[in-house]
Amino acid sequence: QVQLVESGGGVVQPGTSLRLSCAASGFTFSNYGLHWVRQAPGKGLEWVAFISYHGNNKYHADSVKDRFTISRDNSKNTLYLQMNSLSAEDAAVYYCAKNPSPDYGGNSYFDDWGQGTLVTVSS
Amino acid sequence: DIVMTQSPDSLAVSLGERATINCKSSQSVLYSSNNKNYLAWYQQKPGQPPKVLIYWASTREFGVPDRFSGSGSGTDFTLTISSLQAEDVAVYYCQQYYTTPLAFGGGTKVEIK
Repeated sequence: QVQLVESGGGVVQPGTSLRLSCAASGFTFSNYGLHWVRQAPGKGLEWVAFISYHGNNKYHADSVKDRFTISRDNSKNTLYLQMNSLSAEDAAVYYCAKNPSPDYGGNSYFDDWGQGTLVTVSS
Repeated sequence: DIVMTQSPDSLAVSLGERATINCKSSQSVLYSSNNKNYLAWYQQKPGQPPKVLIYWASTREFGVPDRFSGSGSGTDFTLTISSLQAEDVAVYYCQQYYTTPLAFGGGTKVEIK
């Protein structure tokens, strides 16, 4: 079955960088668009970024544009999120999530989610 | 950007009774070329990731109990739990996927009265 396993979270100081990873299995990774969605402690869900199956199309939320970059390595079945200039507002559980079929691009709902990785930003 | 607004923020319903959650989008999420509403509903239990219940506003995901149903079109949508069970205690979110940036409602917490 589909598995999405996030890693790379931790406690970081404001202004620093972090790279999250999402290792995927159980489906043909290179055929599917993927997303990052975050959830601040006790808060709701916020879409962060999307990358197409081939990696050529990327969209980022305005709140992270120019600081965060989504990428993927189809040879390693892994999705990434490079996060720079982190602030307290970026503290959240970060989930990777998958499009339901190869037919979907950025305009998609999510049929599978990882368990998330927690990013804490504190001095 | 499309803004999604859910109501109420929370509700308490007796076991076996109906729960109704509303979701309103700031602009229509109905795509005229295919007559589909780009609206999904999720359930999130504590400590777990969200789970999709409904997509295209009214299509139930495989394996989701039929007590969950979605309705509405354009800008106004409803998730109904026809007979609340103990395992339905969770936070429910709507999401529009008509356009990026994708957007979620603020969530509705459902509890047992």
